[in-house]
Amino acid sequence: QQQVKQSPQSLIVQKGGIPIINCAYENTAFDYFPWYQQFPGKGPALLIAIRPDVSEKKEGRFTISFNKSAKQFSLHIMDSQPGDSATYFCAASKSGNKLVFGAGTILRVKS
Amino acid sequence: GAGVSQSPSNKVTEKGKDVELRCDPISGHTALYWYRQRLGQGLEFLIYFQGNSAPDKSGLPSDRFSAERTGESVSTLTIQRTQQEDSAVYLCASSPGQGFGYTFGSGTRLTVV
Repeated sequence: QQQVKQSPQSLIVQKGGIPIINCAYENTAFDYFPWYQQFPGKGPALLIAIRPDVSEKKEGRFTISFNKSAKQFSLHIMDSQPGDSATYFCAASKSGNKLVFGAGTILRVKS
Repeated sequence: GAGVSQSPSNKVTEKGKDVELRCDPISGHTALYWYRQRLGQGLEFLIYFQGNSAPDKSGLPSDRFSAERTGESVSTLTIQRTQQEDSAVYLCASSPGQGFGYTFGSGTRLTVV
């Protein structure tokens, strides 16, 4: 059972654009929602995370928007750069237990 | 160490052979996780250790898969009688405990031929 659905599967934007990646979850007990960035040949690295008591969190050029009633959250990358080209994974967990990951989004930022 | 270390980085094995994958977590991290990543897919949970105990091993796909952790440090994932569908990148992650983000290693790429 896929508990976290991620879209789109791939995304191409121009440098300076704002790619948006969306995730939807099913389990209302989830209370921790991180995003991970993965470069080829490397393990995923934690980018930013949010808990359901806030609707938005910003860290540098990365913003998470969270909609608890819709059970959706999204990642926005401001002023995207070619170096942001990577695979992005959303995830969710309940009370710090194991993370359930989305299927990933391959982002390419064209220079 | 500074990060999570996994070895080997690449492993090619013949179908039917056993393999052992090793994970050295960040020192002091009590929680350790194993995930599997098939080509072009997301991360599939395998097993979680808290200390040396495994309270959640629900993701192990069959009894050919087992894992252990000793000294609240190193963990070994063993796959017996490997099959071609076991080919994937096996990722290990550690964290200071529940409720914290994970730090992943670079993974072991397993190819079963």
